[in-house]
Amino acid sequence: RKEVEQDPGPFNVPEGATVAFNCTYSNSASQSFFWYRQDCRKEPKLLMSVYSSGNEDGRFTAQLNRASQYISLLIRDSKLSDSATYLCVVNMSPAGNKLTFGGGTRVLVKP
Amino acid sequence: ETGVTQSPTHLIKTRGQQVTLRCSSQSGHNTVSWYQQALGQGPQFIFQYYREEENGRGNFPPRFSGLQFPNYSSELNVNALELDDSALYLCASSLAQGPNTEAFFGQGTRLTVV
Repeated sequence: RKEVEQDPGPFNVPEGATVAFNCTYSNSASQSFFWYRQDCRKEPKLLMSVYSSGNEDGRFTAQLNRASQYISLLIRDSKLSDSATYLCVVNMSPAGNKLTFGGGTRVLVKP
Repeated sequence: ETGVTQSPTHLIKTRGQQVTLRCSSQSGHNTVSWYQQALGQGPQFIFQYYREEENGRGNFPPRFSGLQFPNYSSELNVNALELDDSALYLCASSLAQGPNTEAFFGQGTRLTVV
């Protein structure tokens, strides 16, 4: 079983619609959680951190469920520019910054 | 721009050869991590350097080695290249340690082994 698992998609989303997807992680002692965005053939970039209380950044909402060991990302009012691969990232190390990535969920927003 | 630069951007090598990839971390960042990203997969942690010492290693064989220099720049060396080593190699720098520290990625080096 992979340490961080994601539905690879693609999620085909009409422009303006809402899309949500999850990620599960295996290590219950995981320390911190992130969503990164990666455009085709580019480096990953931090989209947002995920906090236990849930957090929102504009059209993006992230949730963490420690009991069930999953995190989620919801995108409202999807824009064409939201088309990308969204990487779920878990830091399982309390002392360092060794990130464990999921395989990514591909989102395609279409007019 | 993250301030993390990697060189070269693209590289073609022959199976069995050796390769050195370079990374300049963002100013003030003393921690550098290297990741391998195969096509269609998420990045996989290779190792991390903190203040010139290796500070953790992923599931990669010893032919993957690294260095960090006093200015915190870093190198990734891969010996005896195999076809499966073809991937995007990403360097990420961060300031100090801690689980909530943000990592900034360079644009990567795309290595093709033929």
